[in-house]
Amino acid sequence: AQSVTQLGSHVSVSEGALVLLRCNYSSSVPPYLFWYVQYPNQGLQLLLKYTSAATLVKGINGFEAEFKKSETSFHLTKPSAHMSDAAEYFCAVSVYSGNTPLVFGKGTRLSVIA
Amino acid sequence: KAGVTQTPRYLIKTRGQQVTLSCSPISGHRSVSWYQQTPGQGLQFLFEYFSETQRNKGNFPGRFSGRQFSNSRSEMNVSTLELGDSALYLCASSLDGDLEAFFGQGTRLTVV
Repeated sequence: AQSVTQLGSHVSVSEGALVLLRCNYSSSVPPYLFWYVQYPNQGLQLLLKYTSAATLVKGINGFEAEFKKSETSFHLTKPSAHMSDAAEYFCAVSVYSGNTPLVFGKGTRLSVIA
Repeated sequence: KAGVTQTPRYLIKTRGQQVTLSCSPISGHRSVSWYQQTPGQGLQFLFEYFSETQRNKGNFPGRFSGRQFSNSRSEMNVSTLELGDSALYLCASSLDGDLEAFFGQGTRLTVV
């Protein structure tokens, strides 16, 4: 079975500072990994996904994540935080079989301070 | 193209009642999944439908059910509502349970 652990339920950064949201996964088979963002009263929007190609994955809004098998990690980063990045971020894992659901972490709420 | 549409956006029901939520996937998508989101449990998988068949099911009681129609639209039903069913219910569609799921804005259900 797959699982995801997001370290830190709440992260606060200053505008312009580095954003680092941590995600560790557990999977008995090669995983597929995702980061989603959720704004208040909205659904989830896919930021980026890792599907066993390049280990450094670039997503939308300047976010990127690096898959590190040895550390079973898939941390999300952004060099410079913007006020509009304030939202909840979810890491998720799946294994591709055509019908395997996403398993989500508990989420990390990102606050950006002016 | 239009995204995933969930109706209604907000719903208030009384304990013991039943409720039906609707999800219209992106045109051409045949897989529809449902998730429940609560502050305590986070995002939990309910079930997935593909071509009108339930292909996968999460660990929820039988009060939670769903179906999918020939046009891929899906409904989920919760019977005998409990206070703990208050949650944001999210629907996601994909071409074939593939690796890019698109989520709707959700239906916020409040049980009083």
